[in-house]
Amino acid sequence: DIVMTQTPLSSPVTLGQPASISCRSSQSLVHSDGNTYLSWLQQRPGQPPRLLIYKISNRFSGVPDRFSGSGAGTDFTLKISRVEAEDVGVYYCMQATQFPHSVTFGQGTRLEIK
Amino acid sequence: EVQLVESGGGLIQPGGSLRLSCAVSGFTVSTKYMSWVRQAPGRGLECISVILTGDRTFYADSVRGRFTISTDNSKNTLYLEMNNLRAEDTAVYYCARHQGDYNPHIDYWGQGTLVTVSS
Repeated sequence: DIVMTQTPLSSPVTLGQPASISCRSSQSLVHSDGNTYLSWLQQRPGQPPRLLIYKISNRFSGVPDRFSGSGAGTDFTLKISRVEAEDVGVYYCMQATQFPHSVTFGQGTRLEIK
Repeated sequence: EVQLVESGGGLIQPGGSLRLSCAVSGFTVSTKYMSWVRQAPGRGLECISVILTGDRTFYADSVRGRFTISTDNSKNTLYLEMNNLRAEDTAVYYCARHQGDYNPHIDYWGQGTLVTVSS
């Protein structure tokens, strides 16, 4: 299985300031079809996960444009341009390149307000 | 509107069995790839089972041989039959929908149902 490693595990951020989370995979996430199936999820306290970004950089319906994704191969980044109070929660990267045999997640990064 | 609603969780003794249900609306369960993803208390996410259209199924090593994923198209419902439960199966279980071909990411999640395995 592909191992997903996120850094940092905790990120204290000042409201209105940017935040960045990194995700590294143990092997390339480029699928044989040419796509890279890396997505980002947000889990607010007491809530289920919610899709933010798919295929590296595509924002899901209803996701604010302050969220953006980038990267290639094995290294990926989620950026929040200006953190708002509602952004508090845990963020996960997820690979589906090995779907359906394996879908794996990073260990999560906790975003908190300073 | 897409909705996924899980039920069937609870407290169960080690070695016991439980069946989780996920009633879906806003789409037909047989036309989408579906998964069960669990989250142990204070831990991360683990995809434990996938069912494809055409009923091919896949399992994580941690549950293979003990859990069975299935769908009932007449009820538009996804199931997870769990047998020989262990303490380490304690978790919130989410049903999840994958968007589709060339888009295997999970686009919708249920609210989750808590399974506690304890004597």
